[in-house]
Amino acid sequence: NAGVTQTPKFRILKIGQSMTLQCAQDMNHNYMYWYRQDPGMGLKLIYYSVGAGITDKGEVPNGYNVSRSTTEDFPLRLELAAPSQTSVYFCASSQALEAFFGQGTRLTVV
Amino acid sequence: AQSVTQLDSQVPVFEEAPVELRCNYSSSVSVYLFWYVQYPNQGLQLLLKYLSGSTLVKGINGFEAEFNKSQTSFHLRKPSVHISDTAEYFCAVSDFYSGGGADGLTFGKGTHLIIQP
Repeated sequence: NAGVTQTPKFRILKIGQSMTLQCAQDMNHNYMYWYRQDPGMGLKLIYYSVGAGITDKGEVPNGYNVSRSTTEDFPLRLELAAPSQTSVYFCASSQALEAFFGQGTRLTVV
Repeated sequence: AQSVTQLDSQVPVFEEAPVELRCNYSSSVSVYLFWYVQYPNQGLQLLLKYLSGSTLVKGINGFEAEFNKSQTSFHLRKPSVHISDTAEYFCAVSDFYSGGGADGLTFGKGTHLIIQP
């Protein structure tokens, strides 16, 4: 079992560029999440999904989009990167009130 | 809506000493409570969770936490820490009525536990 896999691990983007952060889980969990982690701020929920075809906004969705076409995959899209999106991004899936996190993607926007 | 307050951003402790990391929450409904640990450059890993029943919850790596409803607290403790416990610790809460955490967890800002030899 790989658990939750995120790619890439690191990325530098220029302002205005776009990219997709990939997330895949092999545990057949219905619930999936994207969080961002900023120093001293804990984790903030960006988007979540309760199953394939269903997504909803979290606390900080502006500037991001998601899709959930399969149970396994939950990509996060940044359309016009801004310096405020410099952060560490974590994908997670959950079942029975236990969340499993990926290793994170460290994104820098310059 | 709920919120989580971790009262200490950083806790230095000598090796083999006891430690307590404090967490308070606010919510208008019943909640589930969690502690997660994040080692450097890693994702978060579940230490323990309180769902119902006994208010003293035991987790991995010798950690335990006590749920106190009247004080809305869920403090994490370990009787004797080791260098390998150096990490960031996050307290989190989920609303009992949100479908078992379907809409995600609300996290505190984290406490950096520093173990000194």
